[in-house]
Parts: sequence; C-alpha cells; structure tokens
Amino acid sequence: DAMVIQNPRYQVTQFGKPVTLSCSQTLNHNVMYWYQQKSSQAPKLLFHYYDKDFNNEADTPDNFQSRRPNTSFCFLDIRSPGLGDAAMYLCATSRFTDTQYFGPGTRLTVL
Amino acid sequence: KQEVTQIPAALSVPEGENLVLNCSFTDSAIYNLQWFRQDPGKGLTSLLLIQSSQREQTSGRLNASLDKSSGRSTLYIAASQPGDSATYLCAVDPRGAQKLVFGQGTRLTINP
Repeated sequence: DAMVIQNPRYQVTQFGKPVTLSCSQTLNHNVMYWYQQKSSQAPKLLFHYYDKDFNNEADTPDNFQSRRPNTSFCFLDIRSPGLGDAAMYLCATSRFTDTQYFGPGTRLTVL
Repeated sequence: KQEVTQIPAALSVPEGENLVLNCSFTDSAIYNLQWFRQDPGKGLTSLLLIQSSQREQTSGRLNASLDKSSGRSTLYIAASQPGDSATYLCAVDPRGAQKLVFGQGTRLTINP
C-alpha cells in the first residue's frame, strides 16, 4: 500500500562524505519534491521536479543536488554534508497542484 | 514574502473535547491551503486541502475553514481522541506553483 517510499529511513554519514537519499512513488504523479525539516521546524522546500523540469529554490545550497531518472524515482544528493545538514529529508509527490503526498522521511545524521 | 503562523505552538486537552487549531498567513493571494498531521519522527499525512474558491472542507471529525480576506484558516477537531495526538501543520500554496509554505505547527496532546 505504500505510495511514497523513501530509502533508507535512517542514514548516518561522516562530515564531507557524499550521500544519496532515494524516493520512489507508485502514484504516477508528475511532480516530485524534496523538503528539509530540522528539529522542531517547519519543512523547507529544497527543489521540485515538474515532470522533467527541475526547479531549484533560490536559497537551496549548491551542496544539494537532485536527479529524476524517470517518473517513479527521485534522488537527493548531498555532495559534502556538513553538521548543519543533519535533518529529516521528506519526499513528496503530487498530481499537478493537487494534494501533496509525503513519504516517511529519511533522518540524516552527520558525524 | 508569504509567512504562515500557527498559534498556539502546543496544546493539551482532555479526551472528548472539541478543539480549534489556528493558522494565519500574510498574503491573501493563495492558490490553496492544506492541513497536515505529523507523528513524531514520521512524514506528513495530508488531512484536508481547501482551494482558494472554497470556504471549508470536511473529513470525518475534521473540518477546515478558510477566510482568505482575513488570512486565516482553522482546523476543527470534534470529540478528540488520544490517537489525535500529533503535530498539525498548515501550509499555503501561494501561486499554484507547487511551493508550499509551512507554518511551524501546533503540537497537540489529547489526555485520556
């Protein structure tokens, strides 16, 4: 029944060691999003794909990249994680501007 | 720049009470507004979506209203249950551009 799947659920990485987070969806939605949520804060949009079109938020650091090889999958790459990048990373999907459906999140720890 | 505020940050009530959560936004030109629920350490679950042309939406014990002119939305929870304990977030889509702006959330505790 899972519609938006994120792997892994927990990721531990070392300072500066690249890491990739994965998101897949079974809803066939055309829009996919990546949000960063730090402890006790609101989710913050990093970027989103409208079909194949990539839309980066102006204040998203260059350290964060994304790939969407097909409709079902989207990846978040953090090239050189810093301690400040420790957070919950949430993937979401929607059909155009309808309701956004979120995955369970990946909690990233940076040592 | 659109800003979303939720007050109070935390709320604790006894089981069975009806309660209202508040959300305010600074720019009334919104495309839609969504209410989400987030359990500790989990992702977000969409509860209700209100389009800008609508005044309210209902789902079970939940009712969300929208007053664009005053920049406010409320989430009404009837006959609260301990299972309703969670953080409730509201988010607005400013221009139909798939860019949700979230409030900080209200952490709700329902005491048995």
